[in-house]
Amino acid sequence: EAGVVQSPRYKIIEKKQPVAFWCNPISGHNTLYWYLQNLGQGPELLIRYENEEAVDDSQLPKDRFSAERLKGVDSTLKIQPAELGDSAVYLCASSPYSGGATGELFFGEGSRLTVL
Amino acid sequence: KNQVEQSPQSLIILEGKNCTLQCNYTVSPFSNLRWYKQDTGRGPVSLTIMTFSENTKSNGRYTATLDADTKQSSLHITASQLSDSASYICVVRSNAGNMLTFGGGTRLMVKP
Repeated sequence: EAGVVQSPRYKIIEKKQPVAFWCNPISGHNTLYWYLQNLGQGPELLIRYENEEAVDDSQLPKDRFSAERLKGVDSTLKIQPAELGDSAVYLCASSPYSGGATGELFFGEGSRLTVL
Repeated sequence: KNQVEQSPQSLIILEGKNCTLQCNYTVSPFSNLRWYKQDTGRGPVSLTIMTFSENTKSNGRYTATLDADTKQSSLHITASQLSDSASYICVVRSNAGNMLTFGGGTRLMVKP
């Protein structure tokens, strides 16, 4: 069974440019998460979806970040315009449902963004 | 505020040695605690889960402990191997809104 797929793996852009990341969760997983991970730190939640509904986007900087999961399957995270401080790894994770007994997350390999 | 603190931040050990990583949390109400291993350039992968009633659980050379009274967990690695070099992240789940709180991780380097 395929795991969580993210693309691109690496992206280098100049500041003020837009960038988009794509995530395809494990088939059948209702819950999808986007995390930001700075070097040497733990992941920080940006947004959590239950099917197509964003149930927690309180940490998403909405002035420049947006996300969508239109059909409740794959998702896109966009940054426009990008700033130097956005350089980080953007991790996507999925789980069968957030209310599950164990709450294990399955992560993709991440998209590493470098803003010059 | 829910918090998860891990120590040490980084650790270097020689191959074959043992080590113990610590995780202290203030998450309430507590549901479970997971240890994830994150290899460089990869996403985290779950190693083990600890629930309220569990004190110790082993997964190969990894042994996790949980003291729900003091809100502390540890991950002990026995006979370390070069492939154990990674970041180890402690994640605590709260029953309130199914919230997950991540620790900052411990970066372990195993040297030959």
